[in-house]
Amino acid sequence: GAVVSQHPSRVICKSGTSVKIECRSLDFQATTMFWYRQFPKQSLMLMATSNEGSKATYEQGVEKDKFLINHASLTLSTLTVTSAHPEDSSFYICSARVIRGGQETQYFGPGTRLLVL
Amino acid sequence: AQKVTQAQTEISVVEKEDVTLDCVYETRDTTYYLFWYKQPPSGELVFLIRRNSFDEQNEISGRYSWNFQKSTSSFNFTITASQVVDSAVYFCAPPYGNNRLAFGKGNQVVVIP
Repeated sequence: GAVVSQHPSRVICKSGTSVKIECRSLDFQATTMFWYRQFPKQSLMLMATSNEGSKATYEQGVEKDKFLINHASLTLSTLTVTSAHPEDSSFYICSARVIRGGQETQYFGPGTRLLVL
Repeated sequence: AQKVTQAQTEISVVEKEDVTLDCVYETRDTTYYLFWYKQPPSGELVFLIRRNSFDEQNEISGRYSWNFQKSTSSFNFTITASQVVDSAVYFCAPPYGNNRLAFGKGNQVVVIP
């Protein structure tokens, strides 16, 4: 497989602050990464597609000014939750698209649990 | 929106029993990949299997096997001789266009020792 890391794994912040989450591909380069959020006992909801060197593509209903995505290198995408509020508390997961031997797979990071007080 | 149906919300089996998870999906893509992922209590999604839409040959990989039928848009997944470590939520993930994946609601599998 391929290894994707996320940092931090857990963060608690006060309402109104901004939180940055990093997603790194450790042993491969990823031109495309994805950001999801997951509420307890719910499915994964795709938030946006992060493209290296270009603007992210957001899913309908996701505020791009609220969730800033930067994919400045082939191994790093960041998600910044700006002016976080309690309703932003969730499990945020990134994935990276890998193509090897003509086969395509998405590998996921371990996730970041965000709690906004 | 993409539609993925995993009808069985929670499935309990006794260790060593087989468990089959159903997935029915809708897609506009004509050629695509389908995936199954496992999410244990730790939260990390673990890649299990991938299937190309143009290859309907069913396969076995260790204790995992799958039955893909493009004509009915179904992609069922079986765990043979279940173990306690198989307890997790299993997600079917068909394509959503532009390399995106859609996730079903997941099947909570509980393996009872």
